[in-house]
Amino acid sequence: EVQILETGGGLVKPGGSLRLSCATSGFNFNDYFMNWVRQAPGKGLEWVAQIRNKNYNYATYYAESLEGRVTISRDDSKSSVYLQVSSLRAEDTAIYYCTRKGDFDYWGQGVMVTVSS
Amino acid sequence: DIQMTQSPSLLSASVGDRVTINCKASQNINKYLNWYQQKLGEAPKLLIYNTNNLQTGIPSRFSGSGSGTDYTLTISSLQPEDFGTYFCFQHNSWPTFGAGTKLELK
Repeated sequence: EVQILETGGGLVKPGGSLRLSCATSGFNFNDYFMNWVRQAPGKGLEWVAQIRNKNYNYATYYAESLEGRVTISRDDSKSSVYLQVSSLRAEDTAIYYCTRKGDFDYWGQGVMVTVSS
Repeated sequence: DIQMTQSPSLLSASVGDRVTINCKASQNINKYLNWYQQKLGEAPKLLIYNTNNLQTGIPSRFSGSGSGTDYTLTISSLQPEDFGTYFCFQHNSWPTFGAGTKLELK
């Protein structure tokens, strides 16, 4: 069974940074692209970042609105993917989801990030 | 970015009803359109991928259709467990989502 679990959320002050983790199991992680998606309160879903697999040289892609403030990375030995977000702003307050593959077939339950002083 | 316009935003229906939810893309997305169901506090669940392919384990009362810019999710006979929020998603180019449809009990 595919399982995806995000951790690392919480309350952060504006200007701070945060590293989210996404642990997976139940599939061969090495083979898959992985993504982060977020949903701000009362708003729609927004794709944040994608990291491809080794066959694609771990290429990374970012939403324009966040580029320069986010870094996606992965550790195939731990079947995990990470999202580093810096210079956090109130508008980064959202549930952050980790999803699998280019077509987002499986999602985690998400982790809440609140940016507030 | 491709904009996805989803309608309606709110749908009230009864058990046994046939319901449809629509998504319109701002340009041709070549059938790279998925539908998801989300319930409060749960992970979104993939129902339909690439317009009309039923994800494993999803009941056959769910179906999808469409092409070009216009796509539809149909639930043939609503069951109590179907109430929740549905959203569309295109992966023809940089991924974008519909705003969601809340399906509630009439």
